Amino acid sequence: DAGITQSPRHKVTETGTPVTLRCHQTENHRYMYWYRQDPGHGLRLIHYSYGVKDTDKGEVSDGYSVSRSKTEDFLLTLESATSSQTSVYFCAITPFLGESEAFFGQGTRLTVV
Amino acid sequence: TQLLEQSPQFLSIQEGENLTVYCNSSSVFSSLQWYRQEPGEGPVLLVTVVTGGEVKKLKRLTFQFGDARKDSSLHITAAQPGDTGLYLCAGWGGSNYKLTFGKGTLLTVNP
Repeated sequence: DAGITQSPRHKVTETGTPVTLRCHQTENHRYMYWYRQDPGHGLRLIHYSYGVKDTDKGEVSDGYSVSRSKTEDFLLTLESATSSQTSVYFCAITPFLGESEAFFGQGTRLTVV
Repeated sequence: TQLLEQSPQFLSIQEGENLTVYCNSSSVFSSLQWYRQEPGEGPVLLVTVVTGGEVKKLKRLTFQFGDARKDSSLHITAAQPGDTGLYLCAGWGGSNYKLTFGKGTLLTVNP
């Protein structure tokens, strides 16, 4: 199994509070991704990183920010959590682009009340 | 934004039946992948198809990539309860070469 760990696995937070999710990998893969998974929507890309300090927006990036200060860590921050951000968040890693297998973490279930 | 449409969204069948899941797009992808996801877990890659018209077999699963590289199908022969799960197609392509997922097909195989 690819060494990718998400923390926390579950979190309940209140509307308006900031929340940070962590993705840690031990594979030294260059590319890292944050997706959210909601019923009826599949997996939607929030942000991705193509190297240390190099990040870009995905299709649903509003309300989220990311940082990658080390190869192994990719942080996702909800600046001010809203109920619409209640979801399951998945981190993924790939060694290169195109035809590359994406390895996923086990997900973080976030509930915003 | 490149979109992948999967059908059907839900599929409930009896053990031993055959089924096909479709993944369609108006965009061309350099490659398409199929993932399987079980409850509480992240998706796991089943196969990658790269060449238009390519057919790959994985035991009872047959994957096909359309000639124009815009669509793909997954066929399962003699489905078993262990095949139950969420099947996701995903394509590499578009600007910045991102991995885009379809909405998934939730398959239930009843004993």
